[in-house]
Amino acid sequence: AQKVTQAQTEISVVEKEDVTLDCVYETRDTTYYLFWYKQPPSGELVFLIRRNSFDEQNEISGRYSWNFQKSTSSFNFTITASQVVDSAVYFCALSVLNQAGTALIFGKGTTLSVSS
Amino acid sequence: EPEVTQTPSHQVTQMGQEVILRCVPISNHLYFYWYRQILGQKVEFLVSFYNNEISEKSEIFDDQFSVERPDGSNFTLKIRSTKLEDSAMYFCASFGSVPYEQYFGPGTRLTVT
Repeated sequence: AQKVTQAQTEISVVEKEDVTLDCVYETRDTTYYLFWYKQPPSGELVFLIRRNSFDEQNEISGRYSWNFQKSTSSFNFTITASQVVDSAVYFCALSVLNQAGTALIFGKGTTLSVSS
Repeated sequence: EPEVTQTPSHQVTQMGQEVILRCVPISNHLYFYWYRQILGQKVEFLVSFYNNEISEKSEIFDDQFSVERPDGSNFTLKIRSTKLEDSAMYFCASFGSVPYEQYFGPGTRLTVT
C-alpha cells in the first residue's frame, strides 16, 4: 500500500525566512511519481512539481527547491525568502505506475502561514 | 493553456437528493479522475475512468456514486442520495497521453443540508 506522510500540520514564519516542508512516502513499487501541490485560500489545486523515481536530481525553480532522497523516502520542499503570497496549504502526493491507473495518494497537507 | 473546467462551482442540496457534478476534461486526455476533499482535510481519490469504464475506485466510492462520460467531452459524477457527510470539495482531474501530466479543475463545493 502507498502512503504519504506530512508530519508538519502547520508552520508559521515571518516574511523572508526560509521554510522547508517535509514529505515522507511509502511504496513498494520501483516506478512512481511524486508531486507537490499548493492550495491557496481560494481552494484550487496548483501543480508545483512532478518528479519520477528514477530522477533524484534536486530541482530549483525560482524561490522553490525540492530535495528528493530515495534512501530516506523523502521529497522535501523548500521555499527561500518566503512571502505572504506563499501562505497556503501544501500537499505532497504519490502516484505509482500500475495497470489500473495513476491515482494520486495525497498527504494530509501542511498549512504555511507567512506573516509580514 | 488548456484547462479542466467544472460546473457548478458551488452546489447546495438537501439530504437525500441526487446531484450531478460536471467536468470537462482537456480534450485529448485519456484518464479522468474524481477526488474529494472534506473541509480542512486531505484530498482523497474517489475513482478513475479510462476507455469508457472505471479503472480503479476507492472504498469511498460506494453504490451511491457513479461516473459517466455521456458525450465524449463531459465527465460526470453522480451522487444518488446525498448525505450530510458528502459535503466536500470535489475535484475533477485529467491526464494526458504523456502520463502524469496532472491537470485539476477548480473544484465544485458541494454543501448538503
